[in-house]
Formats: sequence, structure tokens, C-alpha cells
Amino acid sequence: DQQVKQNSPSLSVQEGRISILNCDYTNSMFDYFLWYKKYPAEGPTFLISISSIKDKNEDGRFTVFLNKSAKHLSLHIVPSQPGDSAVYFCAALFAGNTGKLIFGQGTTLQVKP
Amino acid sequence: NAGVTQTPKFQVLKTGQSMTLQCAQDMNHEYMSWYRQDPGMGLRLIHYSVGAGITDQGEVPNGYNVSRSTTEDFPLRLLSAAPSQTSVYFCASSRLQGSSGNTIYFGEGSWLTVV
Repeated sequence: DQQVKQNSPSLSVQEGRISILNCDYTNSMFDYFLWYKKYPAEGPTFLISISSIKDKNEDGRFTVFLNKSAKHLSLHIVPSQPGDSAVYFCAALFAGNTGKLIFGQGTTLQVKP
Repeated sequence: NAGVTQTPKFQVLKTGQSMTLQCAQDMNHEYMSWYRQDPGMGLRLIHYSVGAGITDQGEVPNGYNVSRSTTEDFPLRLLSAAPSQTSVYFCASSRLQGSSGNTIYFGEGSWLTVV
């Protein structure tokens, strides 16, 4: 039973445009949501997170939106750059379970010059 | 990926062989964990540890053993390798309390092929 789902395996956008990556979850007990970026042959690196008590968190070109009623979050990248091309994983944490991440399947983003 | 070191980077095993994936961190983190990444599956938690001497199972623990004799090290053992264990393995570490994701560090990965 996949508790965190990324239903789009891939996404292709033009440089300078907005990239929107989506994630759905099933467990309302998740306390924190995170996005990780992964390049080939490297480990995941933290990108941005959001607490379950917030609906938006922004960090430079990256913004994460959380819709608790829909159990849905999204990552917006504006403007997209070719260096953003990578696999993006959505992940969730339960309260008090630091580090025990539940990951989605990942979405491969390609930003074309 | 600073601070979490995994070895080996690549390994080919024959079915039935045993091996140990090593993971070490130098950040004095209490929490360490092992994930495997498979196509279309994301990263799945194998085992984790909240401190020396304490380990527990994650989502996919079968076929793997772990131990935590020191804070720094968290080896993952495959007792009798099977082709289904062909995967990329990631070790991660973090503080036990107060983490919001930006203090969870991953190693660079270990590519394992079982033939």
C-alpha cells in the first residue's frame, strides 16, 4: 500500500517556464512533507519541506504547497533551469519518527534549453 | 552528501553469496537507516536504528540483517543474496529529535547486482 504517491513518472518543460510536480498521500497522520532531488549516481539531497500546519513554504525558486483536505502537495519551480533536470522524490514523516521517511515513486524532470 | 560514507560503491554477487554494505557517519547522529531504490518504487526503508544497540525493521526487511554496535557505523548484511536484491542501496543519518528533513543526510549509494 503506497502511502505517498507520485503519479507522473516524468515531466518535460521548457527552460524559463514553471515546473509543477505533484504528490498525493493517504495517511492524515503525516507531520512533515519533504522534497528531495536526486541526480544519477548520487544520493538524494534535501530541497524543501513543509509542516502539516502550513499550506505554503517558499525558498527561492522553489515553493511547496500543501492541501491537507485533498491530501495533496505540489512543488513549483519557477523559472525552471536545465540544471533542475533530475529525479524528484516526495517524502513524508510521521511526528516523532525523525528520519523514517516514506517516499513516493519519484518524478523525472527534464528542463529543455 | 557530506558526512555519510558508503562502501562499496559497486558490487556483483552470485546468488547465495553473503556480503556486507558498510555505512559510516561522522556527525554523531543517533538515527541511521538503510533504503533501497528500485525503478518505479521510490526509496523503501529496509532497517533503521535510533541509537547504538537498537535496531528495528522498516518496510522491506526480509533478507537483510543489521546491527549498531557504535554510533558511527550501521552495516547492512545480506546473508544469502537473491536476484530480487539487485538494487541501489542508500544509507541515511539524522539527529533523533527535531529533524524536519533538512538534516537527513544520504550517502552516495551502493549499486548491487546479484546474478
